[in-house]
Amino acid sequence: EIVLTQSPATLSLSPGERATLSCRASQSVSSYLAWYQQKPGQAPRLLIYDASNRATGIPARFSGSGSGTDFTLSISSLEPEDFAVYYCQHRSNWPLTFGQGTKLEI
Amino acid sequence: QVQLQESGPGLVKPSETLSLTCSVSGASINSYYWSWIRQPPGKGLEWIGYIYYTGNSNYNPSLKSRVTMSVDTSKNQFSLNLSSVTAADTAVYYCAKKYCSSSSCQWIFDFWGQGTLVTVSS
Repeated sequence: EIVLTQSPATLSLSPGERATLSCRASQSVSSYLAWYQQKPGQAPRLLIYDASNRATGIPARFSGSGSGTDFTLSISSLEPEDFAVYYCQHRSNWPLTFGQGTKLEI
Repeated sequence: QVQLQESGPGLVKPSETLSLTCSVSGASINSYYWSWIRQPPGKGLEWIGYIYYTGNSNYNPSLKSRVTMSVDTSKNQFSLNLSSVTAADTAVYYCAKKYCSSSSCQWIFDFWGQGTLVTVSS
C-alpha cells in the first residue's frame, strides 16, 4: 500500500502568516491527491482534490500543488478558523490511504 | 444537501461483532458509492471499504477477513459489520459519500457523517 508521510507533525503559526504543509508518497500517485481539514469533534472536510483543485466553497487562500510523490498545501494568510488538523489522501490504487496529519496550531 | 448519520452501539465486547448503520438523506443510495472510514482516538484516518447498491464492494486488505458491508435500498441505508473485534478497533467510525462532479467521480469523500465512537471493552 502507498504510505503518505506528512510534515511537519505540528506547525505553529500566527493569524495572517502563510502556512506550507507537505505530503510525500512512498510511490507516485500522479496527481491523485486530496487534502482535508478536520477540526476537533468534527468530520474531515474536503479542501483540495487532484492536487490543486479547490472543492466547492473552499476559500481561495487554500491552494495545492505537486505531482508524483511530493505535494504541498498552502494557506496564504491564516484566518483563526484555519487552525485545525490537515490530512492528505491518495486515490491512485487500493487501498486508499491517508497521511498521519499535520496539526496547525496558533 | 446530502446528509449522513451513523448509528449503532457505542460499546462492543471483545471478540464480538461491531455493527453500524449509516442513514442517507438528500440523495438516493442507488446513485453513489459509499464508504466507511475510522479514526482511533487521537490518531489518523483509515479507509475500511466501500459498497455500491448492487453489492459491489471492496475492503481494505488489513480488515478484509473481518469486514462485511451491505446496502438496504428500501431504507436508504448502508451498514458495516466488523467481526472479532479487539481494543484496537476502538475508534470513531465515519460513513462517507464518494465525490462526484457533473463530469466524473473520484475516490475522495465530499460528504461525511458526524462520526460515532465505538469502544471495544468488556
